[in-house]
Amino acid sequence: DAKTTQPNSMESNEEEPVHLPCNHSTISGTDYIHWYRQLPSQGPEYVIHGLTSNVNNRMASLAIAEDRKSSTLILHRATLRDAAVYYCILPPANSGGGADGLTFGKGTHLIIQP
Amino acid sequence: EAGVTQFPSHSVIEKGQTVTLRCDPISGHDNLYWYRRVMGKEIKFLLHFVKESKQDESGMPNNRFLAERTGGTYSTLKVQPAELEDSGVYFCASSLGAARVAFFGQGTRLTVV
Repeated sequence: DAKTTQPNSMESNEEEPVHLPCNHSTISGTDYIHWYRQLPSQGPEYVIHGLTSNVNNRMASLAIAEDRKSSTLILHRATLRDAAVYYCILPPANSGGGADGLTFGKGTHLIIQP
Repeated sequence: EAGVTQFPSHSVIEKGQTVTLRCDPISGHDNLYWYRRVMGKEIKFLLHFVKESKQDESGMPNNRFLAERTGGTYSTLKVQPAELEDSGVYFCASSLGAARVAFFGQGTRLTVV
């Protein structure tokens, strides 16, 4: 399975944009890029996913590099509630979708300062 | 709409005892997954059901763990006998068809003493 590399932690101020990077240099052409987050004492929560094009939803935006070797999760206006561990995940090639065989890794611990 | 529900939220048992965790997926979701995070480690995949069939159980640690999903609705994960290293948080998730979005429950915190 393709591996991802994320910074251990990042800090941002409330109401400012946050850019969370993820490197996945061994990504294959059919690998999707998924982002989940885990708030304290909660289960993981789906954030967004993409393949090649940039994606937007109500929670965040996903910017995917042209060579797909990296991506950036963008929180446009961080709130205190966005403090969580963010995971960049490439599901296995034989994955049937959903949460089949996801490798969560250590993720990025996002700290939001008021 | 109710999300993924897990019971109990916490369980404390003695080493050697049996514990059964339950997961109720979102209604209509045919895919159901179990994950766990043991102390100090990363969240790890355990297995995947499609309806009542085990699609992928490559993450099950050993034969002390038994997962079932009779009737393709709720699922149980039994640990028998429990060992100290089984302590951690067990998460269940569900998804619909080939959708890439999965929904996780709040988890069951298992403590084996």
